[in-house]
Amino acid sequence: DARVTQTPRHKVTEMGQEVTMRCQPILGHNTVFWYRQTMMQGLELLAYFRNRAPLDDSGMPKDRFSAEMPDATLATLKIQPSEPRDSAVYFCASGSPRSINSYEQYFGPGTRLTVT
Amino acid sequence: QQQVKQSPQSLIVQKGGISIINCAYENTAFDYFPWYQQFPGKGPALLIAIRPDVSEKKEGRFTISFNKSAKQFSLHIMDSQPGDSATYFCAASMKAGGSEKLVFGKGTKLTVNP
Repeated sequence: DARVTQTPRHKVTEMGQEVTMRCQPILGHNTVFWYRQTMMQGLELLAYFRNRAPLDDSGMPKDRFSAEMPDATLATLKIQPSEPRDSAVYFCASGSPRSINSYEQYFGPGTRLTVT
Repeated sequence: QQQVKQSPQSLIVQKGGISIINCAYENTAFDYFPWYQQFPGKGPALLIAIRPDVSEKKEGRFTISFNKSAKQFSLHIMDSQPGDSATYFCAASMKAGGSEKLVFGKGTKLTVNP
């Protein structure tokens, strides 16, 4: 059963430390999305890749966040340095090239990040 | 203009009742309106979606009603079951700057009492 996988599932770190979250999209999917979920803001799109190329990262704080796809099976989201306000659940989602519309996204289980 | 407003924030329904969640949007560039269901500790999962040229779509106990002139759409869950207890997100999809974006509502936490 094809699923998006994310690691780690939980991460607790101290302010100022670097955090790297990883996502493995469903095999054959060519679009990858990173979202952040908080109680206050809900689900926010941070960045979006198609065929490994970044298409939109306008939702991401540029000074501390970076997103990459080193290869088709791995997407990374990095925060350096981390701050308490970055505490949230970070979701990765992938989409199929056979999907006509972007709404057909398959979400991973998320990484719950706590920055103290 | 890219916001999707969702209400209510929380909803409690008795088993067998009808759950209704409403969403409204402003931007007429949105071209698809999906609903996502999220259980605690899990990622959102696509539940049902509708195009703006369709007024209603039904899948099992789940129905989307769409009012293009009012820029509103709603999710109806018929014969609600305790297993439907989850957070529901409406969303709107649009093409922007060569990419495609989903804009989510803030979510509705549904509790179905047995």
